[in-house]
Amino acid sequence: KNEVEQSPQNLTAQEGEFITINCSYSVGISALHWLQQHPGGGIVSLFMLSSGKKKHGRLIATINIQEKHSSLHITASHPRDSAVYICAVPRNNNDMRFGAGTRLTVKP
Amino acid sequence: DTAVSQTPKYLVTQMGNDKSIKCEQNLGHDTMYWYKQDSKKFLKIMFSYNNKELIINETVPNRFSPKSPDKAHLNLHINSLELGDSAVYFCASSGDAYGYTFGSGTRLTVV
Repeated sequence: KNEVEQSPQNLTAQEGEFITINCSYSVGISALHWLQQHPGGGIVSLFMLSSGKKKHGRLIATINIQEKHSSLHITASHPRDSAVYICAVPRNNNDMRFGAGTRLTVKP
Repeated sequence: DTAVSQTPKYLVTQMGNDKSIKCEQNLGHDTMYWYKQDSKKFLKIMFSYNNKELIINETVPNRFSPKSPDKAHLNLHINSLELGDSAVYFCASSGDAYGYTFGSGTRLTVV
């Protein structure tokens, strides 16, 4: 069993819909990352959070350390949000464990 | 100014060849990494260096040898390439405990 589990694996939405991607992890951590990988392949770090909630534009990330769960929300989704979203947790400060990713497709 | 730059972006080579992928970061980060992304898009760590010292060496074939001449560079050399080595390889760096920046990736195709 992977230490980092994401759901759903694939997600298709209509433009404007509210999107939620979930991440659960089994290791003890102090922070969690959400990454975005566009079809072109580059990986961008969206959020690093250790508690509560962070917001950047239409993206919101929440984390519950006690429940070992995080969610990434996208409000008013747009086709340009189509990408793979990856949850990642660092272990021992130098070892990152990744979820399998959620492939999001937003249709116009 | 590219924060973490990898070269080449694409690499096509024949089985049995030796090739290198270079990575440089201009962020002043102390730690650099190599990750492999397989055909299912799953990312897995291969190596981690902190101030030129090897910290993590996951179970990868010893045909893969990382080299860090200084803390701004972490190169990946691969000997005797095999078909199964085809993947996208990402370099990354981190400066504090939890801030990561990724390179744009190198797509390696072994034919």
